[in-house]
Amino acid sequence: DAGVTQSPTHLIKTRGQQVTLRCSPKSGHDTVSWYQQALGQGPQFIFQYYEEEERQRGNFPDRFSGHQFPNYSSELNVNALLLGDSALYLCASSPRAPNSYQETQYFGPGTRLLVL
Amino acid sequence: AQSVAQPEDQVNVAEGNPLTVKCTYSVSGNPYLFWYVQYPNRGLQFLLKYITGDNLVKGSYGFEAEFNKSQTSFHLKKPSALVSDSALYFCAVRDGRGGANNLFFGTGTRLTVIP
Repeated sequence: DAGVTQSPTHLIKTRGQQVTLRCSPKSGHDTVSWYQQALGQGPQFIFQYYEEEERQRGNFPDRFSGHQFPNYSSELNVNALLLGDSALYLCASSPRAPNSYQETQYFGPGTRLLVL
Repeated sequence: AQSVAQPEDQVNVAEGNPLTVKCTYSVSGNPYLFWYVQYPNRGLQFLLKYITGDNLVKGSYGFEAEFNKSQTSFHLKKPSALVSDSALYFCAVRDGRGGANNLFFGTGTRLTVIP
């Protein structure tokens, strides 16, 4: 049973560019959440997708956007990259039903983004 | 508002000794509490969670955690530490009220087990 997968593993961009990160959820999971983990910090919630719509959003600017596809996979897009966007981006998947509050989020290995 | 505090940035313990990694939380509703471990250049790996029921929760790799409602704590414990337990540990909380089910994480505690 494949776990959560993310691509690419590493990425180097320059300021002002745009980036797209990809995530495939664990088999049987339909909810995908994205987190940003800056160096030396805990992960911070960006947003969550379910049924191809953004359901919840953390305190991140509109430069951060996403998408969920019918097969539950997801993309995170970041426009107009800043140096401060350098971080490990983590995708987590979980089942929605029957009670999403009790469900465990399973994380992928992350994509490390460096903005120069 | 939800928050998690991990008061120790670093915990050192000798191999074979018991270990404790501390976590306190603040939520408005019922707390759902999680522990994750992160090895270098890896994502987060789930260890255990408290949803309801027994205050002592057992998880993967011999880890356990005790939920204490009066002290709003959820400390991670293991009776006998292994060198391979050396990693970064994160406590996370989810507030059961308000419709949001995202996780709030602490800043992490680096555990070093000394041979």
